[in-house]
Amino acid sequence: EAGVAQSPRYKIIEKRQSVAFWCNPISGHATLYWYQQILGQGPKLLIQFQNNGVVDDSQLPKDRFSAERLKGVDSTLKIQPAKLEDSAVYLCASSRASTSSPGRDYGYTFGSGTRLTVV
Amino acid sequence: GQQLNQSPQSMFIQEGEDVSMNCTSSSIFNTWLWYKQEPGEGPVLLIALYKAGELTSNGRLTAQFGITRKDSFLNISASIPSDVGIYFCAGQSYNQGGKLIFGQGTELSVKP
Repeated sequence: EAGVAQSPRYKIIEKRQSVAFWCNPISGHATLYWYQQILGQGPKLLIQFQNNGVVDDSQLPKDRFSAERLKGVDSTLKIQPAKLEDSAVYLCASSRASTSSPGRDYGYTFGSGTRLTVV
Repeated sequence: GQQLNQSPQSMFIQEGEDVSMNCTSSSIFNTWLWYKQEPGEGPVLLIALYKAGELTSNGRLTAQFGITRKDSFLNISASIPSDVGIYFCAGQSYNQGGKLIFGQGTELSVKP
């Protein structure tokens, strides 16, 4: 089974510029997550999709961050305009579970992430 | 919001030694998970725990789900150089849609 694919692997931008990240989840996984991992910390959830609907975006800074999952497969995460404190690794994850049927076999898998540096 | 406290933050050990790290939470979880992350990669699942009191092993790794559902520990026996990395605990609640709450990580260094 192919893993979660993310691109690009690295991105360096100046503050106030915009940037977009792409994620292709494991085939058949209904739920897709975007996490932000600041250096020295654990990942923190930004947004969760089930199919193409948003389940949880309570931690997403909506004044500058946006995400979409058109057709319930691939997803993009955008930052506009970027700030210095947005420098982090952005991880995408997918799982089989749905919010209506949580259970032990989530099959939660992370991609390798996109490392963003804002200068 | 929910927070996990993971300790220790870092460990420097000799090859062959045993390692122990733990996580505590301010609230209960349905599932505890332990991940390992290496440079440039996403977290990889090591052990998942689904029931209070559960003790599970995966090779040299052993983890337990605390009775109160608010804590978990991970032990690594007879460490080897390839155990180097950052270990994260994560908690999951069914009533929160499956999102993971992560600890701050334990950075493990193993000296050959």
